[in-house]
Amino acid sequence: NAGVTQTPKFRVLKTGQSMTLLCAQDMNHEYMYWYRQDPGMGLRLIHYSVGEGTTAKGEVPDGYNVSRLKKQNFLLGLESAAPSQTSVYFCASSYATRFRGPDEQYFGPGTRLTVT
Amino acid sequence: TQLLEQSPQFLSIQEGENLTVYCNSSSVFSSLQWYRQEPGEGPVLLVTVVTGGEVKKLKRLTFQFGDARKDSSLHITAAQPGDTGLYLCAGERSNFGNEKLTFGTGTRLTIIP
Repeated sequence: NAGVTQTPKFRVLKTGQSMTLLCAQDMNHEYMYWYRQDPGMGLRLIHYSVGEGTTAKGEVPDGYNVSRLKKQNFLLGLESAAPSQTSVYFCASSYATRFRGPDEQYFGPGTRLTVT
Repeated sequence: TQLLEQSPQFLSIQEGENLTVYCNSSSVFSSLQWYRQEPGEGPVLLVTVVTGGEVKKLKRLTFQFGDARKDSSLHITAAQPGDTGLYLCAGERSNFGNEKLTFGTGTRLTIIP
């Protein structure tokens, strides 16, 4: 099993360009998450999904959109990149139910994005 | 505003010393997880605590959940260079219908050989 994979690993964008980050998991997890990690701020939740076809906003959703068309994939889009979106982006997945709450989250290796 | 504050933000100590890092909040959490992240990788779960006052041990690491479930601590005995990394606490706000975790600000630990 590959676990959680992220594509690409690194990317440099110019201000105003768009891009999509792809996250894939092979553990049949229901829940998937996108976080950004900035120095001194831990992990902040951007968007998440509790199942195929569903998405919800997290703590810092502005400037990002997501889609979960297939259970195993969760896409994060930046329509018009800004320097403030320079960060390391992590995708995670977990097996959880509404009756048990969040389970262990399994993280991908991250995507380092620089916006100039 | 960060719901979970970790202290210290940075800690650098000699191999063999003991240390404690803290995770504090004014909110109550139904459970709390600790993750360790190494450079260039995603965080990996170390432990989950769910009961107020609970203590869990993982070899030289001891985790405690506060009685009021608002704080937690991680104590490392006889630190080793392999303990180096970013330690993150993460709390679940309720145990019914809440699908997400709130992560703390992180403690970056360096163990000097």
